[in-house]
Amino acid sequence: GENVEQHPSTLSVQEGDSAVIKCTYSDSASNYFPWYKQELGKGPQLIIDIRSNVGEKKDQRIAVTLNKTAKHFSLHITETQPEDSAVYFCAASKGAEGADGLTFGKGTHLIIQP
Amino acid sequence: NAGVTQTPKFRILKIGQSMTLQCTQDMNHNYMYWYRQDPGMGLKLIYYSVGAGITDKGEVPNGYNVSRSTTEDFPLRLELAAPSQTSVYFCASNGKGVYTEAFFGQGTRLTVV
Repeated sequence: GENVEQHPSTLSVQEGDSAVIKCTYSDSASNYFPWYKQELGKGPQLIIDIRSNVGEKKDQRIAVTLNKTAKHFSLHITETQPEDSAVYFCAASKGAEGADGLTFGKGTHLIIQP
Repeated sequence: NAGVTQTPKFRILKIGQSMTLQCTQDMNHNYMYWYRQDPGMGLKLIYYSVGAGITDKGEVPNGYNVSRSTTEDFPLRLELAAPSQTSVYFCASNGKGVYTEAFFGQGTRLTVV
């Protein structure tokens, strides 16, 4: 089955700096790669996603890049703010319409230092 | 619009007891899922359903059962609770269509002692 590796497990950055989280996947059939943000005591919430036919996607301070050949994708957060502190998960899916669920990485605890 | 609602939020079970974790969604989503999240780990898929009357095993189904009698509800059943089932359980749903967003509930924190 699919295996998703995520690094680093903890990332501490100064407020205003950029943060980068990296993931690799094993199954070349995976075609959908979402990123979720989880705040303490809450369920994960989608922040950005990318399909396999796209190399990069941006949404304000957040961007995701995908390298299908190398089977890795990354989350980039620029101008970090205190409210960006949370646990971030990458995931991959290969089912038609995404019906068969997501395979998650182990998560990155992002800490924004004031 | 409540989204995905899970009950209870917390529960302590004794070894060998049984319980049902409830999940309901009001978005008319076809697809529903149960995940468990252990400390320092990502979420792992337990069971999923693509519609009423249809369920399938995920990565870690042992010790659990599900049913899907309606579009809205997807309960998860633990028959003989074991300490290894201590975890946080999340229910999720997404609509039919290519690559639609999965919405998660707030989670149920279960401790088996």
